[in-house]
Amino acid sequence: DARVTQTPRHKVTEMGQEVTMRCQPILGHNTVFWYRQTMMQGLELLAYFRNRAPLDDSGMPKDRFSAEMPDATLATLKIQPSEPRDSAVYFCASGAYRERETQYFGPGTRLLVL
Amino acid sequence: QKEVEQNSGPLSVPEGAIASLNCTYSDRGSQSFFWYRQYSGKSPELIMSIYSNGDKEDGRFTAQLNKASQYVSLLIRDSQPSDSATYLCAVNVGDSNYQLIWGAGTKLIIKP
Repeated sequence: DARVTQTPRHKVTEMGQEVTMRCQPILGHNTVFWYRQTMMQGLELLAYFRNRAPLDDSGMPKDRFSAEMPDATLATLKIQPSEPRDSAVYFCASGAYRERETQYFGPGTRLLVL
Repeated sequence: QKEVEQNSGPLSVPEGAIASLNCTYSDRGSQSFFWYRQYSGKSPELIMSIYSNGDKEDGRFTAQLNKASQYVSLLIRDSQPSDSATYLCAVNVGDSNYQLIWGAGTKLIIKP
């Protein structure tokens, strides 16, 4: 049963701390997306990668957020320093060229910054 | 600004009736259209994809696409309480690989 996995599932941290979220895309998928979801803003695209290369990160606050894909099985999203307004659910999704633009979501990381 | 618009609801439908969810999009170059279901506290889950004008049926779900009117809909027949969720419409960005534009979602409530 191929699934996108994300860790941690929940994270509570204090303002100013670094937060690292990890994602393992479905094996064979070559596109990875990072989204943020809040009640007020809905689903926002933060960044995405194709074949590990960043294609668009215009949705990310550049001064504090960074996204990388060190290998085909791992994508990371870091926030440093974190702020209370970063509290949200962060989803990773993956897709494959053979499935057109279909995206499959991981379970998400629920982040609370105090 | 490319947009996907949905009525936020909530849309309340009696159990056993047909639920009709609608979505309009602004990018005439879009070719791929998706409906995702999201239960509270869970991640979006793909229900249907549609790429050609007309209807596409999968069990109790039917997706309808009208590119001329830039309109896509989802019909749920014989609605069940388990269908209560938020339904997200997503449309590909016509000039970009893989990127989807997302609607804000319609909250559907099926009343027993």
